[in-house]
Amino acid sequence: DQQVKQNSPSLSVQEGRISILNCDYTNSMFDYFLWYKKYPAEGPTFLISISSIKDKNEDGRFTVFLNKSAKHLSLHIVPSQPGDSAVYFCAASSLGANSKLTFGKGITLSVRP
Amino acid sequence: NAGVTQTPKFRVLKTGQSMTLLCAQDMNHEYMYWYRQDPGMGLRLIHYSVGEGTTAKGEVPDGYNVSRLKKQNFLLGLESAAPSQTSVYFCASSSLGASGGGGTQYFGPGTRLTVL
Repeated sequence: DQQVKQNSPSLSVQEGRISILNCDYTNSMFDYFLWYKKYPAEGPTFLISISSIKDKNEDGRFTVFLNKSAKHLSLHIVPSQPGDSAVYFCAASSLGANSKLTFGKGITLSVRP
Repeated sequence: NAGVTQTPKFRVLKTGQSMTLLCAQDMNHEYMYWYRQDPGMGLRLIHYSVGEGTTAKGEVPDGYNVSRLKKQNFLLGLESAAPSQTSVYFCASSSLGASGGGGTQYFGPGTRLTVL
């Protein structure tokens, strides 16, 4: 049973436009969410995170929105740049003894020049 | 700082052979993790460690063993490789556990393993 879902496997946007990457989760115990970015032949790198006590977190061109009632989060990239072309993973963790992250399957973003 | 390094970068094994993947981190992190990434499957946790001398099973532990004899190293072993273990393996470390957003995980560059 997949607890973190990234239902769209790919997204293509024009340079300068907004990229919106979506993520849904089913486990109501999740209280912290992260986005990782991965280039080919490299390991994932941390991009941005959000705690469940917030509904928005911003870092430069990247903003993550959290809708707890809908169990949905999204990553907005504005403006999109060709260098943003990568695979983006959504991940979640929960309080308690769990020291682990649960990852989604990833979304491949292509930004066209 | 080198961060998280993985050895080797590539390996080809025959079915039934054994091997050990080495992960090393120089950030003095307590927590270390082994993941595998397969097409369309995202990152799946194999085993993890919350400190030197400890290990725990993740989501897909079967066919793998791990050891954390030194804080900076986390070894992943395949005793009898199978074609189903063909994958890209990533090691990660963090200063704190993921609970409540405790620790950002830093990943190594990956090991691409092919089992024939």
